[in-house]
Amino acid sequence: KAGVTQTPRYLIKTRGQQVTLSCSPISGHRSVSWYQQTPGQGLQFLFEYFSETQRNKGNFPGRFSGRQFSNSRSEMNVSTLELGDSALYLCASSLAQRGVSSYQETQYFGPGTRLLVL
Amino acid sequence: KQEVTQIPAALSVPEGENLVLNCSFTDSAIYNLQWFRQDPGKGLTSLLLIQSSQREQTSGRLNASLDKSSGRSTLYIAASQPGDSATYLCAVGGGANNLFFGTGTRLTVIP
Repeated sequence: KAGVTQTPRYLIKTRGQQVTLSCSPISGHRSVSWYQQTPGQGLQFLFEYFSETQRNKGNFPGRFSGRQFSNSRSEMNVSTLELGDSALYLCASSLAQRGVSSYQETQYFGPGTRLLVL
Repeated sequence: KQEVTQIPAALSVPEGENLVLNCSFTDSAIYNLQWFRQDPGKGLTSLLLIQSSQREQTSGRLNASLDKSSGRSTLYIAASQPGDSATYLCAVGGGANNLFFGTGTRLTVIP
């Protein structure tokens, strides 16, 4: 089975722009979670999607949003980029069998998208 | 608010040595605890998942223990190899934050 894939792998944007990142989960996985990793704050949970619905959300401003499609692929969008948004953005997928939350089972992470905001 | 701390932040050991990585958390109301490894510039690989009702989990040379009442977990790596060099992260599961990660321990195994 192919693993979790994320595109693009690297991205450079300037302040004020917006960006969209994509994540394709492992085939059959229905839950996708997004995380931000920075040297200062470490790994922080952004949000989780299941069955095209946001099921859980971390403490990030409304500039961070996401969505999930019927094939479980997910996108996250960051509007009005700030320098502090420079980070590695990781997505993770899990089976979500019988609707269990993603933290209740093993999550499989993609390689991440490294975003640099200038 | 849950806080997860990992000590030490960095560790260098000679090949073949057994070692222990520590993880502590402040809120014992967790669903589970997971250990991950992260290689430079890459995503995370899940190593072990311990449910809150369990005391330990083993996979090959890795053994993770969980003491929920004291808010501690340890990851034991036996007979370390250079390929074990990576950053090891623990994460507690449950609640609105999905997975709450520690700051990691950077391990270097010297051949």
